[in-house]
Amino acid sequence: DSGVTQTPKHLITATGQRVTLRCSPRSGDLSVYWYQQSLDQGLQFLIQYYNGEERAKGNILERFSAQQFPDLHSELNLSSLELGDSALYFCASSVGPWQPQHFGDGTRLSIL
Amino acid sequence: ELKVEQNPLFLSMQEGKNYTIYCNYSTTSDRLYWYRQDPGKSLESLFVLLSNGAVKQEGRLMASLDTKARLSTLHITAAVHDLSATYFCALGGSQGNLIFGKGTKLSVKP
Repeated sequence: DSGVTQTPKHLITATGQRVTLRCSPRSGDLSVYWYQQSLDQGLQFLIQYYNGEERAKGNILERFSAQQFPDLHSELNLSSLELGDSALYFCASSVGPWQPQHFGDGTRLSIL
Repeated sequence: ELKVEQNPLFLSMQEGKNYTIYCNYSTTSDRLYWYRQDPGKSLESLFVLLSNGAVKQEGRLMASLDTKARLSTLHITAAVHDLSATYFCALGGSQGNLIFGKGTKLSVKP
């Protein structure tokens, strides 16, 4: 158990819909990262927060947004969903940037 | 642009054999990571390599880093079935985010 909690574990929805994925980092970790894993794109970095502030952005679509709250949990919002958004979304946390990241179990998103 | 290339992408080994997975990257970084992923599961951190010439070993796995060649290797000694998994190398980005290779799917057969 990495200590990083992601909910829900599975999510099935339709094209055009909006979903929110939630991540609770390990106790004491200030950095949260979101990654997307799909068969065609592999593991891609989406976005990173440190102590509530956005720190870095990767290949995150404009339809996606995220935030980190004062209690350090983070949410990833995906809107206007398309079939290609079907993937496994991982959250990871670390004490700070450049420290080893610990990954949650992921949220599997299926778009029908 | 940071790029990380792993090879091979697929590796079928016999138990007891040795093999090496290679990870080339496009630019300098302070950190190189190796992760393991079992099917449908999360990523497990194996090694963090911080400096040129760094070598770390855990059980049958040994990772090394050559920053001048921009190359890291993951060496598997006397493979066993339990090592079957997908192995990822990842480069530390400028803000600590990870840039992953495509992964090497390892299958160890008796």
